[in-house]
Amino acid sequence: GAGVSQSPSNKVTEKGKDVELRCDPISGHTALYWYRQRLGQGLEFLIYFQGNSAPDKSGLPSDRFSAERTGESVSTLTIQRTQQEDSAVYLCASSPRGLFYNEQFFGPGTRLTVL
Amino acid sequence: KQEVTQIPAALSVPEGENLVLNCSFTDSAIYNLQWFRQDPGKGLTSLLLIQSSQREQTSGRLNASLDKSSGRSTLYIAASQPGDSATYLCAVRDFGNEKLTFGTGTRLTIIP
Repeated sequence: GAGVSQSPSNKVTEKGKDVELRCDPISGHTALYWYRQRLGQGLEFLIYFQGNSAPDKSGLPSDRFSAERTGESVSTLTIQRTQQEDSAVYLCASSPRGLFYNEQFFGPGTRLTVL
Repeated sequence: KQEVTQIPAALSVPEGENLVLNCSFTDSAIYNLQWFRQDPGKGLTSLLLIQSSQREQTSGRLNASLDKSSGRSTLYIAASQPGDSATYLCAVRDFGNEKLTFGTGTRLTIIP
């Protein structure tokens, strides 16, 4: 079946503008994760959704970052008033359930460049 | 706070050689450990997942081991091929936590 998809694949924006990044998880996967990878750094966890439970937002770096998920489907990560340090690859992952033995499957990412 | 380290940061080996990539983590209270590969401009491809109760997992030419008490995992690649060239990442999932904590990766180059 189809894997995790993300759009756009690339996004260039000006400092101060808002951006929305989209993630379509694998069908049937109830858990969804957002990570970011800044140049030369490891992946950083941002936010986690599991079914209808309250999301774990502990990784969001500032209140300019927010994310929503509609049921167990699409998720949108929004960055308001973008800054140059927001430039990174934003990766989405999904998992069949948020239980310890399940793998996370990653999408191709969205490369965000803030000028 | 969990910290994951991968050494070396980069490795080059001739085609056909066997090789080992290393991963260490500071907190042994983990659910599982996952190895990924990342190709330039691409997302992550899951290679192997080892549960905390397991010692190793194998898939084709890949074998991953886990020594939870010492906070170490290795990824063994047999008979390396140019197509194995990529960045290899390890990530751990802690007890009571849904997120993965990643190492910074080992960039592997297989020389034809």
